[in-house]
Amino acid sequence: AQSVSQHNHHVILSEAASLELGCNYSYGGTVNLFWYVQYPGQHLQLLLKYFSGDPLVKGIKGFEAEFIKSKFSFNLRKPSVQWSDTAEYFCAVTPNYNQGGKLIFGQGTELSVKP
Amino acid sequence: DAGITQSPRHKVTETGTPVTLRCHQTENHRYMYWYRQDPGHGLRLIHYSYGVKDTDKGEVSDGYSVSRSKTEDFLLTLESATSSQTSVYFCAISAMNTQYFGPGTRLTVL
Repeated sequence: AQSVSQHNHHVILSEAASLELGCNYSYGGTVNLFWYVQYPGQHLQLLLKYFSGDPLVKGIKGFEAEFIKSKFSFNLRKPSVQWSDTAEYFCAVTPNYNQGGKLIFGQGTELSVKP
Repeated sequence: DAGITQSPRHKVTETGTPVTLRCHQTENHRYMYWYRQDPGHGLRLIHYSYGVKDTDKGEVSDGYSVSRSKTEDFLLTLESATSSQTSVYFCAISAMNTQYFGPGTRLTVL
């Protein structure tokens, strides 16, 4: 069965620190990959996605992610975090042959940024 | 925003009562989904729909049923609510192979 693993459950950083959140998936075929963010009390919002092409994708709010096929990874990065980045971050995967495909989510990583 | 609304936004109910949550979309998307969100589990798919009257089970479908009689509405029903169904429920639509989520319904079963 497909699964998605996010290595860190809770990350605490100071403002201006760099961020990298790990995401690994288990699926042998071609996948679509997503990162979503959930600010406190809000719904999930799409940060960025990868379907094909350049494995380094840029999203909103200065986030980027790199797809490394050989490692089945899709790690999220930001060079300098802000207090407003405090949120929960979810990695998700779906096979890309699957129109309207069901997403498999990781457990989430809670990011706390100290001012 | 994807034009998704959910109702009610908050509900408290008692064990054994039936509960129906509504997801409404305004953009005629074919695919709709119901997820539940629980700490430490991320989001898990309950049921999804690929068209009017076309639905299928997800990962955690036991105790839930769904209906979609028109494109814009996808209903999730808990036939007899249990405390283990206390959760936050999110509806989603798929557009261009990307899912977009509604604001959520926080359900508490006492």
